Amino acid sequence: DQQVKQNSPSLSVQEGRISILNCDYTNSMFDYFLWYKKYPAEGPTFLISISSIKDKNEDGRFTVFLNKSAKHLSLHIVPSQPGDSAVYFCAASGKSNFGNEKLTFGTGTRLTIIP
Amino acid sequence: DTEVTQTPKHLVMGMTNKKSLKCEQHMGHRAMYWYKQKAKKPPELMFVYSYEKLSINESVPSRFSPECPNSSLLNLHLHALQPEDSALYLCASSQVGGVETQYFGPGTRLLVL
Repeated sequence: DQQVKQNSPSLSVQEGRISILNCDYTNSMFDYFLWYKKYPAEGPTFLISISSIKDKNEDGRFTVFLNKSAKHLSLHIVPSQPGDSAVYFCAASGKSNFGNEKLTFGTGTRLTIIP
Repeated sequence: DTEVTQTPKHLVMGMTNKKSLKCEQHMGHRAMYWYKQKAKKPPELMFVYSYEKLSINESVPSRFSPECPNSSLLNLHLHALQPEDSALYLCASSQVGGVETQYFGPGTRLLVL
């Protein structure tokens, strides 16, 4: 049961343009959402997060939008740079069966920035 | 400083070997995590320690044995692994294990022969 989905396995964007990565979730109990960037054979690097009480959070070139009614979030990167080429995972935080919080990750989107 | 360190970076082991993966953070975090990531898949949670107590065990086989000697250190002891256990093992930490950001280490690439 994939509770967090990233339906685009890959995305190519011209340098300088906007990159938009999408993520959908099914569990309405998720209350905190995060985006991570990952290079091959490295750990995920935290990029930006958003609480379920907000609909937008911005940090430099990165903006995350949350649409709770649609259970959808997106990450906008503008302008896109070659160093942004990586795999991007969205993750959602919610209660586990043990009562603690746990992160559930999406399947990832490989972003390629074309110079 | 949001650094989580992991050793070794790479590990090759036979199915009869015993080895350990190590993770360390000095951010004062009280929750630490082990994840397993196979190629082209998202990270999957294995264990969570909160205040040095095991608080989540996601039905991981007993050939994986976690240990949290103190709030800064997390080990994963490996014994009698199978080739399908080959993966990237990621450690993460967060402040207290609540609704918060988890910070990941670089991972240990494990190959079981």
